[in-house]
Amino acid sequence: GAVVSQHPSWVICKSGTSVKIECRSLDFQATTMFWYRQFPKQSLMLMATSNEGSKATYEQGVEKDKFLINHASLTLSTLTVTSAHPEDSSFYICSADLTGNLNTIYFGEGSWLTVV
Amino acid sequence: EDKVVQSPLSLVVHEGDTVTLNCSYEVTNFRSLLWYKQEKKAPTFLFMLTSSGIEKKSGRLSSILDKKELFSILNITATQTGDSAIYLCAWGGSNYKLTFGKGTLLTVNP
Repeated sequence: GAVVSQHPSWVICKSGTSVKIECRSLDFQATTMFWYRQFPKQSLMLMATSNEGSKATYEQGVEKDKFLINHASLTLSTLTVTSAHPEDSSFYICSADLTGNLNTIYFGEGSWLTVV
Repeated sequence: EDKVVQSPLSLVVHEGDTVTLNCSYEVTNFRSLLWYKQEKKAPTFLFMLTSSGIEKKSGRLSSILDKKELFSILNITATQTGDSAIYLCAWGGSNYKLTFGKGTLLTVNP
């Protein structure tokens, strides 16, 4: 079946450094992918919509200069957390829709980011 | 502002019990309501509901939507320890965007 893969599964970085998280659709093309953030015991909060070949659309309150999204191909979107701070520590998860019907949205396994 | 509210936020039951999880929503341009189960990582799809009054069923799980009253319920009968998870309700709007509720943490004890 359709699979969305994320890498890395977990990463620890120092404050002030940048971290890149990859989201790949393994057996289908995804012109649109979504990035979510989930803090402990909280829900998934949509950060941005990643659009292949164009700029990402960010949700209100999400700093686009801090969370850089690149969707250079139909199977890969990347999220770069720039100048990371401890408050950026969270679970980041991406999703892609196989057919454009909401019931075929697949999520990646998520990436745990810890900034120390 | 669109919002999805789930209740209860947490629930502890014993194996064999039946549970009902609630999801109410206040959104514009309603398209679909979806239920997911999240264990340790990625949410997995359970149901998508678009029409009122039509029950969706999968094994011991079932769900129904009331578009007039703006809520949905997820029922789990004869619960098992493997049902322990966070159950997320999400509103699906235009452009495939999902707005999630905070989830219900279900713990099923043996």
